[in-house]
Amino acid sequence: GDSVTQMEGPVTLSEEAFLTINCTYTATGYPSLFWYVQYPGEGLQLLLKATKADDKGSNKGFEATYRKETTSFHLEKGSVQVSDSAVYFCALTSGYSTLTFGKGTMLLVSP
Amino acid sequence: EAGVVQSPRYKIIEKKQPVAFWCNPISGHNTLYWYRQNLGQGPELLIRYENEEAVDDSQLPKDRFSAERLKGVDSTLKIQPAELGDSAVYLCASSQREGAYNEQFFGPGTRLTVL
Repeated sequence: GDSVTQMEGPVTLSEEAFLTINCTYTATGYPSLFWYVQYPGEGLQLLLKATKADDKGSNKGFEATYRKETTSFHLEKGSVQVSDSAVYFCALTSGYSTLTFGKGTMLLVSP
Repeated sequence: EAGVVQSPRYKIIEKKQPVAFWCNPISGHNTLYWYRQNLGQGPELLIRYENEEAVDDSQLPKDRFSAERLKGVDSTLKIQPAELGDSAVYLCASSQREGAYNEQFFGPGTRLTVL
């Protein structure tokens, strides 16, 4: 079945540092890939998505590129802020609407 | 536009008691999802509705869990009786229609603690 593997957290960074959160997946066919973010006390929000190989999703300074050859969708940001502190989930869907999520990676950014 | 509404936000019950969660999706969204999120894990689908029809309930533990979406709008998820292992956050999400590329919007969740 489909699965998503994320790097374990927490990831602790200083403000303005470069962020990478690794995500790899296993899926049948050609899945769509997503990053969701969960701020403390809030629901999951879609951060960005990519629906086919080599697509780059971007939003709020975050980027991720759909790499079919390495089955990866790593999340990056050039300069993190304290307000980026949250839990980040990589997810996929293989065409049946249901999202398969990774375990989540907590990001803590200090001033 | 109002988001997905869930209530209650928190619930503490003793084991073997019943509990119910309510979800009101975004207006016009035909597809509704219930997910369970255990501590330190990602959400896992329990049931998916297309209008009032449950089109995927394969992961719903039917011996104790039930759900309904009678008029194709709001939905209720019930557990009876609750077990210690049911402690989790129950998330509701909705999307405009079934399909791989339609964004799912999530509610804030109901945090259930079973003592």
